[in-house]
Amino acid sequence: GAGVSQSPSNKVTEKGKDVELRCDPISGHTALYWYRQSLGQGLEFLIYFQGNSAPDKSGLPSDRFSAERTGGSVSTLTIQRTQQEDSAVYLCASSFSPGQGKNIQYFGAGTRLSVL
Amino acid sequence: SQQGEEDPQALSIQEGENATMNCSYKTSINNLQWYRQNSGRGLVHLILIRSNEREKHSGRLRVTLDTSKKSSSLLITASRAADTASYFCATDDYGQNFVFGPGTRLSVLP
Repeated sequence: GAGVSQSPSNKVTEKGKDVELRCDPISGHTALYWYRQSLGQGLEFLIYFQGNSAPDKSGLPSDRFSAERTGGSVSTLTIQRTQQEDSAVYLCASSFSPGQGKNIQYFGAGTRLSVL
Repeated sequence: SQQGEEDPQALSIQEGENATMNCSYKTSINNLQWYRQNSGRGLVHLILIRSNEREKHSGRLRVTLDTSKKSSSLLITASRAADTASYFCATDDYGQNFVFGPGTRLSVLP
């Protein structure tokens, strides 16, 4: 498809389980972002990938959160030992190379994570 | 800390009226963008205004930027029920940092 694809669209898990969320960015986009959005709230930055550079992990809330981007394309966000406060919508966005004055982000529909 | 802060947090208007949302930010920026989010969906880019621009139009949207006051406004004219959504401003500080505000929830009543 032409847009950013995220899977699954919904995930229900039990407290303590690990989950993996997937993001397929737009082909040719070198930058990839993960955000978390709690109900009725704004976006919380989690992690940013740009090309082959080391990712900016400054937004990850704890060491239970990790992400990787294989081959400069697909990205996986992993949450280990999930807690109820991890329940949120996880949004992925991609863009062309930033820093060129036109860093428009294209978002996926998100993964709604519910931790019971 | 939040770079962009929108106000009001929520706005309810009648169809046909104009809606104005404001965004304030704290540091120097390269550009400022506005996004819309319909319930349960991802964000969609609406308009980008560069730091050396003061006003920009796109259809029924008008964005202003005042870098001396570190603020921007988004005006939606002749609103429609389909404009009901949350609106976010996002600032880009010349690099990778891209910070979204908490958003304004707009309800347009038929």
